[in-house]
Amino acid sequence: SAVISQKPSRDICQRGTSLTIQCQVDSQVTMMFWYRQQPGQSLTLIATANQGSEATYESGFVIDKFPISRPNLTFSTLTVSNMSPEDSSIYLCSIVDSHLYEQYFGPGTRLTVT
Amino acid sequence: AQSVAQPEDQVNVAEGNPLTVKCTYSVSGNPYLFWYVQYPNRGLQFLLKYITGDNLVKGSYGFEAEFNKSQTSFHLKKPSALVSDSALYFCAVRGPQGSSASKIIFGSGTRLSIRP
Repeated sequence: SAVISQKPSRDICQRGTSLTIQCQVDSQVTMMFWYRQQPGQSLTLIATANQGSEATYESGFVIDKFPISRPNLTFSTLTVSNMSPEDSSIYLCSIVDSHLYEQYFGPGTRLTVT
Repeated sequence: AQSVAQPEDQVNVAEGNPLTVKCTYSVSGNPYLFWYVQYPNRGLQFLLKYITGDNLVKGSYGFEAEFNKSQTSFHLKKPSALVSDSALYFCAVRGPQGSSASKIIFGSGTRLSIRP
């Protein structure tokens, strides 16, 4: 399976600031996803990011708040903008192996907003 | 729209006993079904999947799951539980490739606790 890394692994940020999370994959993938997970809770899909096109956002998530870049087939970033304490969560990058139909996840970025 | 339900927030089992973690789903067309496990402070790990073929699928760590189309269920099972199986388990469903439901949706999760 692909190896997915995320930076930073955790961060504590001030209200009103922005944080950019990086996701690096060791192989080329077409589809990448960004999820949010409260500790011990389920995963919520934020957006789907395909290389060469605009990200597709799920209901309740907007580009101004969560801008995503996908400059190539191995990398993506998610920015959490104008943060509030409600944005405190674990953010996970994910990819799909289109041959095996399996989805793999990065280790996550634990964000705390104070 | 597809959905997946895990009716039990927590399942408690004695070590050595069989375990079942329940999952039901709703999706248009043939489903792709998955189980994932998350250990404390660890990432999400893929356990097993059902795409097509045999209704009983085997996965990692001795786990298996049975696809039941008539009951729209995909319960996770293990014949003999280990204390190390204690973790948070997620069922997930995805619609057919290329359809509007081709993204994975996760259930609410079931915390499995195995007592020695």
